[in-house]
Amino acid sequence: GDSVTQMEGPVTLSEEAFLTINCTYTATGYPSLFWYVQYPGEGLQLLLKATKADDKGSNKGFEATYRKETTSFHLEKGSVQVSDSAVYFCALSVPDQAGTALIFGKGTTLSVSS
Amino acid sequence: NAGVTQTPKFRVLKTGQSMTLLCAQDMNHEYMYWYRQDPGMGLRLIHYSVGEGTTAKGEVPDGYNVSRLKKQNFLLGLESAAPSQTSVYFCASSYGTSGSGDPQETQYFGPGTRLLVL
Repeated sequence: GDSVTQMEGPVTLSEEAFLTINCTYTATGYPSLFWYVQYPGEGLQLLLKATKADDKGSNKGFEATYRKETTSFHLEKGSVQVSDSAVYFCALSVPDQAGTALIFGKGTTLSVSS
Repeated sequence: NAGVTQTPKFRVLKTGQSMTLLCAQDMNHEYMYWYRQDPGMGLRLIHYSVGEGTTAKGEVPDGYNVSRLKKQNFLLGLESAAPSQTSVYFCASSYGTSGSGDPQETQYFGPGTRLLVL
């Protein structure tokens, strides 16, 4: 079945360091791919998305490129801030399946220190 | 707009008790979802609805029931709570079908309900 695998955390970085969180997927068809972020005590917020191969999603300095050949959607940021500390979830959705919702990875906790 | 709201925020139950979690959205979304979040498991879909009056099972539906009597509300019920249902529950909604490439497919999440079953 469809699935998402993302690197296990926690990831601990110093402020201004480069961030990569790996995400790979298995899916039938051509899924849309998402990164959601969950700040402490809050619900999930969409960070970025990409709906077809070679699309790049970007938001708040974060980027991820939909790589069909490697079935990957790695999240990157050039210079992290303390305020980026959160849990990051990679997710996919499969087209033409009404209401099937999102399939999530297990989440990666990012902790950024000053 | 309030977006997606959930009540209550936190609840403690004893084994065997029942309760209902309420999710409300004011975005006129057709699709609504209930997920549970457990440590190391990510989010897993419990039930979902593709419109008023409809419901369907997700990945982990056992022990839960749902109802969507009004378009804006999606209720999750636990008839006889068990310790295994201790979790954080998230409701989400979206305008259209997931994965369609339509910008309106984005799911919007509520703040969550933390449930502890003793």
